[in-house]
Amino acid sequence: GAVVSQHPSRVICKSGTSVKIECRSLDFQATTMFWYRQFPKQSLMLMATSNEGSKATYEQGVEKDKFLINHASLTLSTLTVTSAHPEDSSFYICSASISGNYGYTFGSGTRLTVV
Amino acid sequence: GESVGLHLPTLSVQEGDNSIINCAYSNSASDYFIWYKQESGKGPQFIIDIRSNMDKRQGQRVTVLLNKTVKHLSLQIAATQPGDSAVYFCAETRYNFNKFYFGSGTKLNVKP
Repeated sequence: GAVVSQHPSRVICKSGTSVKIECRSLDFQATTMFWYRQFPKQSLMLMATSNEGSKATYEQGVEKDKFLINHASLTLSTLTVTSAHPEDSSFYICSASISGNYGYTFGSGTRLTVV
Repeated sequence: GESVGLHLPTLSVQEGDNSIINCAYSNSASDYFIWYKQESGKGPQFIIDIRSNMDKRQGQRVTVLLNKTVKHLSLQIAATQPGDSAVYFCAETRYNFNKFYFGSGTKLNVKP
């Protein structure tokens, strides 16, 4: 079946630094990937849609200059949290979609803690 | 964006009993729904899906019911087991739209 891998699973960074999170589709090509953020005891909030070879589409209220998304290949999308602050601490999850299918394959998530 | 909400934040059931988790959605244009299970510290896991041209769909121990008239869907888990303990989310989208919007989640506690 479709497998999505996220790396790292946990990261702690200092306030003001940038952190890159990778999302890989291991056994299929993903034309579209999605990035979600989840705060403790809350639901997943869609941040952006990452499209291979084109700019990401951000949801309303998500700062595109702060959350940089790159989808340079059909198997890799990256989310970079720039100038991270403690309020950016969250669980970030990606999902990948095969063209013509539905984006319901999720990665295992990345726990970001900004200190 | 679309609004998807759940009625019960926490549900406790006895092992072996049936569980029913409810979800309301607000976008009448939504025509595809998925139930996910999320264990602590992990990504969501697909459970079952249903399209708007169906009222009911059954899987292994799980059944999803869709009532488009009142924009409500439910997840029924038969013979609930301790391994079913998790947070359950419904998510909705429009067919081929691919973007999913999640409800607020229900935590299911299964008591032995």
